[in-house]
Amino acid sequence: GQSLEQPSEVTAVEGAIVQINCTYQTSGFYGLSWYQQHDGGAPTFLSYNALDGLEETGRFSSFLSRSDSYGYLLLQELQMKDSASYFCASPGWGYQKVTFGIGTKLQVIP
Amino acid sequence: DGGITQSPKYLFRKEGQNVTLSCEQNLNHDAMYWYRQDPGQGLRLIYYSQIVNDFQKGDIAEGYSVSREKKESFPLTVTSAQKNPTAFYLCASMPPSGTGELFFGEGSRLTVL
Repeated sequence: GQSLEQPSEVTAVEGAIVQINCTYQTSGFYGLSWYQQHDGGAPTFLSYNALDGLEETGRFSSFLSRSDSYGYLLLQELQMKDSASYFCASPGWGYQKVTFGIGTKLQVIP
Repeated sequence: DGGITQSPKYLFRKEGQNVTLSCEQNLNHDAMYWYRQDPGQGLRLIYYSQIVNDFQKGDIAEGYSVSREKKESFPLTVTSAQKNPTAFYLCASMPPSGTGELFFGEGSRLTVL
Protein backbone atom coordinates (compact mmCIF):
# COMPACT_ATOMS: atom_id res chain seq x y z
CA GLY A 1 0.00 0.00 0.00
CA GLN A 2 0.87 3.63 -0.07
CA SER A 3 0.61 6.47 2.42
CA LEU A 4 1.64 10.08 1.99
CA GLU A 5 1.98 12.59 4.79
CA GLN A 6 1.91 16.36 4.50
CA PRO A 7 1.13 19.23 6.88
CA SER A 8 -2.54 20.17 7.12
CA GLU A 9 -2.08 23.94 7.07
CA VAL A 10 0.56 26.51 6.16
CA THR A 11 0.39 30.30 6.29
CA ALA A 12 2.75 32.56 4.35
CA VAL A 13 3.06 36.21 3.41
CA GLU A 14 2.40 37.58 -0.04
CA GLY A 15 5.64 37.83 -2.02
CA ALA A 16 7.44 35.29 0.15
CA ILE A 17 8.50 31.69 -0.51
CA VAL A 18 6.80 28.66 1.00
CA GLN A 19 7.73 24.99 0.99
CA ILE A 20 5.16 22.21 1.40
CA ASN A 21 6.67 18.87 2.34
CA CYS A 22 5.47 15.36 1.59
CA THR A 23 6.86 12.12 2.97
CA TYR A 24 5.73 8.79 1.68
CA GLN A 25 5.74 5.10 2.45
CA THR A 26 5.03 2.84 -0.47
CA SER A 27 5.44 -0.79 -1.40
CA GLY A 28 6.53 0.38 -4.84
CA PHE A 29 7.29 3.92 -5.92
CA TYR A 30 6.60 5.42 -9.33
CA GLY A 31 7.01 9.11 -8.74
CA LEU A 32 5.41 12.01 -6.92
CA SER A 33 2.84 14.44 -8.33
CA TRP A 34 1.47 17.72 -6.99
CA TYR A 35 -2.02 19.16 -7.45
CA GLN A 36 -3.63 22.48 -6.58
CA GLN A 37 -7.27 22.78 -5.57
CA HIS A 38 -9.15 25.98 -4.89
CA ASP A 39 -12.18 25.80 -2.61
CA GLY A 40 -15.10 24.17 -4.38
CA GLY A 41 -13.07 23.44 -7.49
CA ALA A 42 -11.39 20.46 -9.09
CA PRO A 43 -7.75 19.57 -8.49
CA THR A 44 -5.38 20.67 -11.24
CA PHE A 45 -2.05 19.05 -11.97
CA LEU A 46 1.08 21.07 -11.16
CA SER A 47 4.08 18.79 -11.54
CA TYR A 48 5.48 15.28 -11.52
CA ASN A 49 8.87 13.98 -10.36
CA ALA A 50 9.87 10.50 -11.40
CA LEU A 51 13.55 10.93 -10.61
CA ASP A 52 15.51 12.71 -7.88
CA GLY A 53 16.01 16.40 -8.29
CA LEU A 54 14.25 19.65 -8.88
CA GLU A 55 11.63 20.36 -11.55
CA GLU A 56 10.82 24.02 -12.18
CA THR A 57 7.70 25.43 -13.78
CA GLY A 58 7.48 29.18 -13.45
CA ARG A 59 6.99 30.20 -9.83
CA PHE A 60 6.47 26.60 -8.76
CA SER A 61 9.18 23.97 -8.28
CA SER A 62 8.97 20.40 -7.08
CA PHE A 63 11.72 18.30 -5.57
CA LEU A 64 12.10 14.59 -4.98
CA SER A 65 14.57 12.52 -2.97
CA ARG A 66 13.83 8.82 -3.39
CA SER A 67 16.47 7.81 -0.86
CA ASP A 68 14.74 9.92 1.80
CA SER A 69 11.17 9.07 0.63
CA TYR A 70 10.57 12.79 0.60
CA GLY A 71 9.49 15.53 -1.73
CA TYR A 72 8.38 19.12 -1.57
CA LEU A 73 6.58 21.78 -3.53
CA LEU A 74 8.16 25.22 -3.51
CA LEU A 75 6.09 28.28 -4.31
CA GLN A 76 7.94 31.52 -4.92
CA GLU A 77 6.75 35.13 -5.13
CA LEU A 78 3.51 34.13 -3.45
CA GLN A 79 0.33 35.76 -4.68
CA MET A 80 -3.05 35.92 -3.00
CA LYS A 81 -4.45 33.62 -5.69
CA ASP A 82 -2.07 30.89 -4.53
CA SER A 83 -4.30 30.41 -1.48
CA ALA A 84 -5.55 26.88 -2.07
CA SER A 85 -5.04 23.30 -0.99
CA TYR A 86 -2.03 21.44 -2.33
CA PHE A 87 -1.94 17.66 -2.57
CA CYS A 88 0.94 15.31 -3.15
CA ALA A 89 0.04 12.07 -4.90
CA SER A 90 1.73 8.92 -6.06
CA PRO A 91 0.73 6.41 -8.71
CA GLY A 92 0.99 2.75 -7.86
CA TRP A 93 2.30 -0.10 -9.95
CA GLY A 94 1.56 0.41 -13.62
CA TYR A 95 0.30 3.90 -12.85
CA GLN A 96 -2.97 2.30 -11.88
CA LYS A 97 -3.96 3.32 -8.38
CA VAL A 98 -3.16 6.94 -7.57
CA THR A 99 -3.03 7.70 -3.83
CA PHE A 100 -3.27 11.22 -2.41
CA GLY A 101 -2.06 12.87 0.76
CA ILE A 102 -4.58 14.69 2.95
CA GLY A 103 -3.70 18.02 1.41
CA THR A 104 -2.06 21.18 2.77
CA LYS A 105 -4.23 24.26 3.00
CA LEU A 106 -2.09 27.28 2.15
CA GLN A 107 -3.25 30.68 3.28
CA VAL A 108 -1.45 33.65 1.77
CA ILE A 109 -1.78 36.80 3.85
CA PRO A 110 -1.00 40.40 2.87
CA ASP B 1 -12.57 21.09 -26.19
CA GLY B 2 -11.52 17.82 -24.58
CA GLY B 3 -12.29 17.20 -20.99
CA ILE B 4 -14.24 15.38 -18.33
CA THR B 5 -17.88 16.19 -17.70
CA GLN B 6 -19.57 15.27 -14.44
CA SER B 7 -23.26 15.61 -13.78
CA PRO B 8 -25.16 16.64 -11.86
CA LYS B 9 -23.08 19.31 -10.14
CA TYR B 10 -25.35 19.28 -7.09
CA LEU B 11 -27.59 16.45 -5.99
CA PHE B 12 -29.88 15.91 -3.04
CA ARG B 13 -31.28 12.57 -2.08
CA LYS B 14 -33.23 11.04 0.73
CA GLU B 15 -31.82 8.29 2.88
CA GLY B 16 -32.37 4.86 1.42
CA GLN B 17 -32.25 6.00 -2.19
CA ASN B 18 -29.65 5.00 -4.75
CA VAL B 19 -28.20 7.74 -6.90
CA THR B 20 -25.99 7.59 -10.00
CA LEU B 21 -23.35 10.18 -10.81
CA SER B 22 -22.36 10.55 -14.43
CA CYS B 23 -18.80 10.89 -15.72
CA GLU B 24 -18.02 11.28 -19.42
CA GLN B 25 -14.65 11.98 -21.03
CA ASN B 26 -13.63 12.75 -24.61
CA LEU B 27 -9.89 12.61 -23.99
CA ASN B 28 -9.57 9.05 -25.28
CA HIS B 29 -8.03 7.95 -21.97
CA ASP B 30 -8.21 4.31 -20.97
CA ALA B 31 -7.92 4.81 -17.22
CA MET B 32 -10.69 6.40 -15.19
CA TYR B 33 -11.14 6.98 -11.46
CA TRP B 34 -13.67 7.98 -8.83
CA TYR B 35 -12.58 9.80 -5.70
CA ARG B 36 -14.48 10.98 -2.69
CA GLN B 37 -13.45 14.14 -0.87
CA ASP B 38 -14.44 15.06 2.66
CA PRO B 39 -13.14 18.07 4.57
CA GLY B 40 -9.70 17.41 6.02
CA GLN B 41 -9.43 13.95 4.54
CA GLY B 42 -8.04 14.59 1.10
CA LEU B 43 -9.07 12.43 -1.84
CA ARG B 44 -9.92 8.80 -1.24
CA LEU B 45 -10.14 6.33 -4.09
CA ILE B 46 -13.48 4.56 -4.55
CA TYR B 47 -13.06 2.63 -7.82
CA TYR B 48 -10.81 2.72 -10.84
CA SER B 49 -10.87 1.20 -14.29
CA GLN B 50 -7.99 0.60 -16.67
CA ILE B 51 -10.02 -0.71 -19.58
CA VAL B 52 -13.56 -1.22 -20.79
CA ASN B 53 -15.51 -3.92 -18.93
CA ASP B 54 -12.95 -4.06 -16.14
CA PHE B 55 -12.66 -2.16 -12.86
CA GLN B 56 -11.10 -2.54 -9.42
CA LYS B 57 -12.07 -1.52 -5.92
CA GLY B 58 -10.18 1.32 -4.37
CA ASP B 59 -9.76 2.02 -0.68
CA ILE B 60 -13.39 2.83 0.16
CA ALA B 61 -15.53 0.85 -2.30
CA GLU B 62 -18.15 -0.36 0.18
CA GLY B 63 -21.60 1.04 -0.63
CA TYR B 64 -20.62 2.04 -4.16
CA SER B 65 -20.83 0.39 -7.57
CA VAL B 66 -19.53 1.28 -11.04
CA SER B 67 -19.71 0.11 -14.62
CA ARG B 68 -17.45 0.61 -17.62
CA GLU B 69 -19.38 -0.37 -20.69
CA LYS B 70 -17.81 2.32 -22.87
CA LYS B 71 -14.38 3.90 -22.88
CA GLU B 72 -15.88 7.35 -22.52
CA SER B 73 -18.18 6.64 -19.59
CA PHE B 74 -17.63 5.59 -15.97
CA PRO B 75 -20.79 6.15 -13.89
CA LEU B 76 -20.77 5.77 -10.11
CA THR B 77 -23.80 4.58 -8.16
CA VAL B 78 -24.01 5.52 -4.51
CA THR B 79 -26.20 2.87 -2.98
CA SER B 80 -28.32 2.94 0.14
CA ALA B 81 -25.67 0.73 1.75
CA GLN B 82 -23.27 3.67 1.89
CA LYS B 83 -23.69 4.90 5.45
CA ASN B 84 -22.33 8.40 5.06
CA PRO B 85 -22.71 9.41 1.42
CA THR B 86 -22.72 13.18 1.78
CA ALA B 87 -19.49 14.27 0.09
CA PHE B 88 -17.85 15.83 -2.95
CA TYR B 89 -17.27 13.23 -5.68
CA LEU B 90 -14.56 13.67 -8.27
CA CYS B 91 -14.10 11.71 -11.49
CA ALA B 92 -10.72 11.64 -13.21
CA SER B 93 -8.92 10.07 -16.13
CA MET B 94 -5.28 9.41 -16.91
CA PRO B 95 -3.49 9.28 -20.25
CA PRO B 96 -1.04 6.47 -20.97
CA SER B 97 1.89 8.89 -20.92
CA GLY B 98 3.44 7.53 -17.75
CA THR B 99 3.43 10.82 -15.85
CA GLY B 100 0.73 9.84 -13.42
CA GLU B 101 -1.15 13.03 -14.27
CA LEU B 102 -4.86 12.90 -13.53
CA PHE B 103 -7.38 15.06 -15.35
CA PHE B 104 -10.37 15.88 -13.14
CA GLY B 105 -13.96 16.78 -13.76
CA GLU B 106 -15.58 19.64 -11.86
CA GLY B 107 -17.10 17.32 -9.30
CA SER B 108 -20.55 16.38 -8.04
CA ARG B 109 -21.66 17.44 -4.56
CA LEU B 110 -24.07 14.94 -3.04
CA THR B 111 -26.12 15.81 0.02
CA VAL B 112 -28.27 13.25 1.79
CA LEU B 113 -31.24 14.78 3.57
